[in-house]
Amino acid sequence: NAGVTQTPKFRVLKTGQSMTLLCAQDMNHEYMYWYRQDPGMGLRLIHYSVGEGTTAKGEVPDGYNVSRLKKQNFLLGLESAAPSQTSVYFCASSKVGDTGTNYGYTFGSGTRLTVV
Amino acid sequence: DAKTTQPTSMDCAEGRAANLPCNHSTISGNEYVYWYRQIHSQGPQYIIHGLKNNETNEMASLIITEDRKSSTLILPHATLRDTAVYYCIVRSTWGQGNLIFGKGTKLSVKP
Repeated sequence: NAGVTQTPKFRVLKTGQSMTLLCAQDMNHEYMYWYRQDPGMGLRLIHYSVGEGTTAKGEVPDGYNVSRLKKQNFLLGLESAAPSQTSVYFCASSKVGDTGTNYGYTFGSGTRLTVV
Repeated sequence: DAKTTQPTSMDCAEGRAANLPCNHSTISGNEYVYWYRQIHSQGPQYIIHGLKNNETNEMASLIITEDRKSSTLILPHATLRDTAVYYCIVRSTWGQGNLIFGKGTKLSVKP
């Protein structure tokens, strides 16, 4: 049981390049999330998905797109990378809530992205 | 979702209990208190959550005051591996929306 797997773990991009970050979970969770974390700041939500084929904007969605074509995968795309997108990106998933559910969010180990 | 206030940093001696406070004076009746931690360079890890009763699991205990305006996370026997940033989060509607992470408390466990 791998939990939440993020690929790649590290990446360096040039300004203007595009890339896709992949998040995969094997826990059959309905909800998935993309966060970014910058030095001295907490995690900020970029986009999230409450089910296959659905996505929604979070706190800092500009410059990113997402897709959830399969329940187990949540993709984060950068169409034209900018230095301001240098960050550590975390994916998370969670089980659909019902009272008494005792599972929290499960996070991946992160993708460290540098845009030069 | 209600805002939380935590101390910026705390120290604890190895083997002793670590008591991490959190104030959430504007918490509403349907909001839960969650605790996560983030060990350096890793993804956040869920610890525990509660509504109004005290909770305990294999990692920690959560004590919520009767008026629910504050809570304390207790690590009963802190080890060096418990050194991390601990986040207290309050939110409603389990499973939907957003976990809002503040800056948390940096706990340093010292030998």
